[in-house]
Amino acid sequence: NAGVTQTPKFQVLKTGQSMTLQCAQDMNHNSMYWYRQDPGMGLRLIYYSASEGTTDKGEVPNGYNVSRLNKREFSLRLESAAPSQTSVYFCASTWRGWGYTFGSGTRLTVV
Amino acid sequence: DQQVKQNSPSLSVQEGRISILNCDYTNSMFDYFLWYKKYPAEGPTFLISISSIKDKNEDGRFTVFLNKSAKHLSLHIVPSQPGDSAVYFCAASDQGGSEKLVFGKGTKLTVNP
Repeated sequence: NAGVTQTPKFQVLKTGQSMTLQCAQDMNHNSMYWYRQDPGMGLRLIYYSASEGTTDKGEVPNGYNVSRLNKREFSLRLESAAPSQTSVYFCASTWRGWGYTFGSGTRLTVV
Repeated sequence: DQQVKQNSPSLSVQEGRISILNCDYTNSMFDYFLWYKKYPAEGPTFLISISSIKDKNEDGRFTVFLNKSAKHLSLHIVPSQPGDSAVYFCAASDQGGSEKLVFGKGTKLTVNP
């Protein structure tokens, strides 16, 4: 099925470890986004990419880096994981902002 | 500063009755509004949207109302069904600007059989 694919679905990290969350979409969308969802906080934008080759900070970018590898793929990297980064991470894509399509999420626990 | 506010963290209704979920926004540049539905362990899915040139949009059991002067929108679900139990997020964007969606914190709807 067409859509947004995120890997992995679950991950447990130790404080200080690094990892990359992968996201790929096959809808030929220009814009891609990374959000985190925390209890009582809704969805907060970490980084976004309006087009291939461009990335911009969102509301909560500290501790993260991103790479827009090509039009399909947008990865999120945690260089040194902290317990405060325990969250559910969602990738989304859109064509000109007319409604986002979300992936099924990555549940990350940092111990 | 929250630009999109959903002041009710939770709502409980009986099956067959109307569910009304509310959302307020502060940014007058917002011109496109959406509702997303989220089940546990899944990503949010698009439910219904409305442009600022309209004040109402219907899709089956779901209707969204927009009151621009009050900067308020609401989602009506009639009749409510147990399968509607989920978290509902209100979102807004400035289509003439960055196109980024700004989300509210969500309202957890429980429809009791």
